Amino acid sequence: GNSVTQMEGPVTLSEEAFLTINCTYTATGYPSLFWYVQYPGEGLQLLLKATKADDKGSNKGFEATYRKETTSFHLEKGSVQVSDSAVYFCASNQAGTALIFGKGTTLSVSS
Amino acid sequence: EAGVAQSPRYKIIEKRQSVAFWCNPISGHATLYWYQQILGQGPKLLIQFQNNGVVDDSQLPKDRFSAERLKGVDSTLKIQPAKLEDSAVYLCASSLGTPGLREKLFFGSGTQLSVL
Repeated sequence: GNSVTQMEGPVTLSEEAFLTINCTYTATGYPSLFWYVQYPGEGLQLLLKATKADDKGSNKGFEATYRKETTSFHLEKGSVQVSDSAVYFCASNQAGTALIFGKGTTLSVSS
Repeated sequence: EAGVAQSPRYKIIEKRQSVAFWCNPISGHATLYWYQQILGQGPKLLIQFQNNGVVDDSQLPKDRFSAERLKGVDSTLKIQPAKLEDSAVYLCASSLGTPGLREKLFFGSGTQLSVL
């Protein structure tokens, strides 16, 4: 079946460090891919998405590229801030189906 | 624009008791989802409604969980009787149209359930 696997955390970084959170997927077809973020005390919210191979999703300085050849959708940011501390979830879906989420990666950024 | 509203925010019950959660989606959103998020795991879909009809309830433990969306707007999720392993955050989400590749989900803040 379809699934999403993301790197385990927690990821602890200093402010302005480079961030990568790995995500790979398995699917029978060509899913859409998403990164959701959950800030402390808040609900999940969409961070970025990509709907086809080679698409790059971007938002708030975060980027992720849909790589069909490696079935990956790694999240990156060049310079993290303390305010980026949150739990990040990679997710996928195919037409007519609900989102499938990874287990989440906790990011902690210190000043 | 008001977001997805959920209540209560927290609930503590003893095993074998019953509990109900309420969700009011964003106005006009046809699709409503209930997800279960156990600590340390990603959200898992329990049930998906399209208006007042069930689209997918394949992962809902129907012997103890039930959900309804009678008028195609707000929804309730019930657990009866609760077990220790039901301790989790229950997330409600809604989206504008039918599930699709580009559909954006809007999530509520969730109800944190502790079963003692």
